[in-house]
Amino acid sequence: DTGVSQDPRHKITKRGQNVTFRCDPISEHNRLYWYRQTLGQGPEFLTYFQNEAQLEKSRLLSDRFSAERPKGSFSTLEIQRTEQGDSAMYLCAAKGPGNEQFFGPGTRLTVL
Amino acid sequence: GENVEQHPSTLSVQEGDSAVIKCTYSDSASNYFPWYKQELGKGPQLIIDIRSNVGEKKDQRIAVTLNKTAKHFSLHITETQPEDSAVYFCASSLYNTDKLIFGTGTRLQVFP
Repeated sequence: DTGVSQDPRHKITKRGQNVTFRCDPISEHNRLYWYRQTLGQGPEFLTYFQNEAQLEKSRLLSDRFSAERPKGSFSTLEIQRTEQGDSAMYLCAAKGPGNEQFFGPGTRLTVL
Repeated sequence: GENVEQHPSTLSVQEGDSAVIKCTYSDSASNYFPWYKQELGKGPQLIIDIRSNVGEKKDQRIAVTLNKTAKHFSLHITETQPEDSAVYFCASSLYNTDKLIFGTGTRLQVFP
């Protein structure tokens, strides 16, 4: 158990709908990361937070994507007006005491 | 930008044999190199990591070697077992950033 949980584990939605995913790390993880993984590829960095501050965003994070970490604990990732190309596994990771990043189980999004 | 190449893409070995997966990174400022194991439907699991001030690290049946001059690092699994079958990803990160850049993965199959 990495101490990182994600909800939901699976989400099927129709194109054009909005979806929101949640990530819950254990309380002492002050850095939290979002990655996206498409089939047959490695995870790709999207964004990360230091406590509640969003410090870096990838070019992959279009204006339809928004991430928040309002109290420096859990985080949400919202995708507006979903497109079929958004279908992927969305992974959340928390930083350990060194440089280690521990991943949650992911949310698999399917856009029909 | 930073790029990580990983080879081979698939690897099949007999139980008890050794397996070696190789990665090459592009940015000489990279200083942290983790390896992840990902099973079907799960998030990546950190199995071993190495920092740029160390040339080799071993943990039971797995070891990682780093050649900073050649910008190569490798994962070595000895005495492979069927439960080692999974997709393995290498990654790197730059000093003063935390985002991980992943390779494209190696599907390892260990036949009994």
